[in-house]
Amino acid sequence: ETGVTQTPRHLVMGMTNKKSLKCEQHLGHNAMYWYKQSAKKPLELMFVYNFKEQTENNSVPSRFSPECPNSSHLFLHLHTLQPEDSALYLCASSQGGDRLNTEAFFGQGTRLTVV
Amino acid sequence: RKEVEQDPGPFNVPEGATVAFNCTYSNSASQSFFWYRQDCRKEPKLLMSVYSSGNEDGRFTAQLNRASQYISLLIRDSKLSDSATYLCVVKRPGYSTLTFGKGTMLLVSP
Repeated sequence: ETGVTQTPRHLVMGMTNKKSLKCEQHLGHNAMYWYKQSAKKPLELMFVYNFKEQTENNSVPSRFSPECPNSSHLFLHLHTLQPEDSALYLCASSQGGDRLNTEAFFGQGTRLTVV
Repeated sequence: RKEVEQDPGPFNVPEGATVAFNCTYSNSASQSFFWYRQDCRKEPKLLMSVYSSGNEDGRFTAQLNRASQYISLLIRDSKLSDSATYLCVVKRPGYSTLTFGKGTMLLVSP
């Protein structure tokens, strides 16, 4: 059983819809991440939160809006998405800060389809 | 030069074979290194950390070569269940972020 839980596991949404992805970690970590993985492509880092502060935004379009209300929860708010945004969205967490050997633990992902 | 580079493969090997993957990284100050495994349509999972002196976990051996800035993963006696994509991961100092390589696909056949 993973310590990182993502909901929903699957989501189909229209281009005019607004939806949110949720991630919760029970590992006491302080860093949380959103990754996107399109079909047959590598992981793309989207956002990083370290101690609830956003520390990285890898040129992600504004139709993706992250929110980190506390160290255990991370949201990704979606609006007016495009079909090319269809992908597996993975949340991960790690200890955070600059601690060495802080491997990341992933949730099972939300498979998003934009129609 | 990309931060983390891997041969995408696929590596096609028969059961029982020994296979090795290499991964190079560009930042010489990188401090932490990992191998992750990702099965098709699943999330990545930590396979093993890579220590400076090299480390072994059953059939898996990881090595780090700081002078040449590469890490390797050796899999002995390959099993069908080893078929997956193997991701090389590097952590730079001063960053909380882990940088993932694009992965190397391994296909083990009967």
